[in-house]
Amino acid sequence: NAGVMQNPRHLVRRRGQEARLRCSPMKGHSHVYWYRQLPEEGLKFMVYLQKENIIDESGMPKERFSAEFPKEGPSILRIQQVVRGDSAAYFCASSLSGVYNEQFFGPGTRLTVL
Amino acid sequence: QKEVEQNSGPLSVPEGAIASLNCTYSDRVSQSFFWYRQYSGKSPELIMSIYSNGDKEDGRFTAQLNKASQYVSLLIRDSQPSDSATYLCAVSGNNRLAFGKGNQVVVIP
Repeated sequence: NAGVMQNPRHLVRRRGQEARLRCSPMKGHSHVYWYRQLPEEGLKFMVYLQKENIIDESGMPKERFSAEFPKEGPSILRIQQVVRGDSAAYFCASSLSGVYNEQFFGPGTRLTVL
Repeated sequence: QKEVEQNSGPLSVPEGAIASLNCTYSDRVSQSFFWYRQYSGKSPELIMSIYSNGDKEDGRFTAQLNKASQYVSLLIRDSQPSDSATYLCAVSGNNRLAFGKGNQVVVIP
């Protein structure tokens, strides 16, 4: 009964480095969502992907951030040239079909930028 | 107006009492509504989903939906110390879930 998997669980980067966050959805799920949670704030939508397609990336900053969900392998959220403000918990969720269905969350990746 | 609002501050309830949480949303076309529980330092865990007006019960949890008033609530009966967490209201629409900021619940033994 594998749930949503994310790795790494903790990631430390220095300013200017790249961060790569990985997410494997629940078995049978083809819809993946990325959310960011800053300390003491709510979860904010970043991007919605299906296999090989970005459905909606309107919540993601246009610069330095990108996401993909290839035909094979996990979904990747990539942050280039990280800054201290990128420090947050990044959660991935998956659903069986579209956004109106239940989304199940992975354990998250806690990114710390020094 | 925020998409999803949870206005109550931290809620302290005695063990065994009922905890009541409220949530309002702004998008009238929203179709799916969810409650998540999040323990400190952990990820959100889905505890209830509701799609039509009325009540839905699951164990000690009851979700209530009123689409005309754009209002969703969660009742936790017989509250236990293990229910101490932040509860997040989420509403679907526009290719995403929109989350409220959450309500912290503290169950006092």
